[in-house]
Amino acid sequence: ETGVTQTPRHLVMGMTNKKSLKCEQHLGHNAMYWYKQSAKKPLELMFVYNFKEQTENNSVPSRFSPECPNSSHLFLHLHTLQPEDSALYLCASSQTTGGRRGEKLFFGSGTQLSVL
Amino acid sequence: AQKITQTQPGMFVQEKEAVTLDCTYDTSDPSYGLFWYKQPSSGEMIFLIYQGSYDQQNATEGRYSLNFQKARKSANLVISASQLGDSAMYFCAMAYRNAGGTSYGKLTFGQGTILTVHP
Repeated sequence: ETGVTQTPRHLVMGMTNKKSLKCEQHLGHNAMYWYKQSAKKPLELMFVYNFKEQTENNSVPSRFSPECPNSSHLFLHLHTLQPEDSALYLCASSQTTGGRRGEKLFFGSGTQLSVL
Repeated sequence: AQKITQTQPGMFVQEKEAVTLDCTYDTSDPSYGLFWYKQPSSGEMIFLIYQGSYDQQNATEGRYSLNFQKARKSANLVISASQLGDSAMYFCAMAYRNAGGTSYGKLTFGQGTILTVHP
């Protein structure tokens, strides 16, 4: 079983749909992250959660709504997305957001999202 | 603001030979961490190696070594004895730290370099 699991692996949705991405980590970490990887652009941090509390929102549009019910699970709720939101969405976790151990991120395989 | 630059969109190397992937960074912070990640076609980002800005020696992890030149603000990744399984996208990244040297887990990534290993 991998350390960070993301589902689904692929998702195609229309602009009026509502869908959710799920991430689960089995590493006992306390911090979880959403990153966006668009074609020809560097990875962009979207959200940071530490001990279930959101500590960072990197100016992400409100059509992306994160949820962290506990330290092991992270969701990204999607609604009324735009075609430019098509990307690979990567979830990551770390032991904590403080100190050197917080810097080493463990990533999932991502959800490849296509918005039509 | 921090910035990571990877100037090589693609690199080719013969199996069993060494290859260097370039990374330069820009930051005004005295304390920072530098990372290299590998992303195979499966999409997962795999941690390879870490270098702290105050570390005296260059980091090494098996076949991976980081050529850290602080004055030049470069952190090149050296892969020795390349293997076919090394073919992937490689990302250089920097961790943000506040004035107290505490990281908040935010990484700034470069554009990446696609490495292809030929048999």
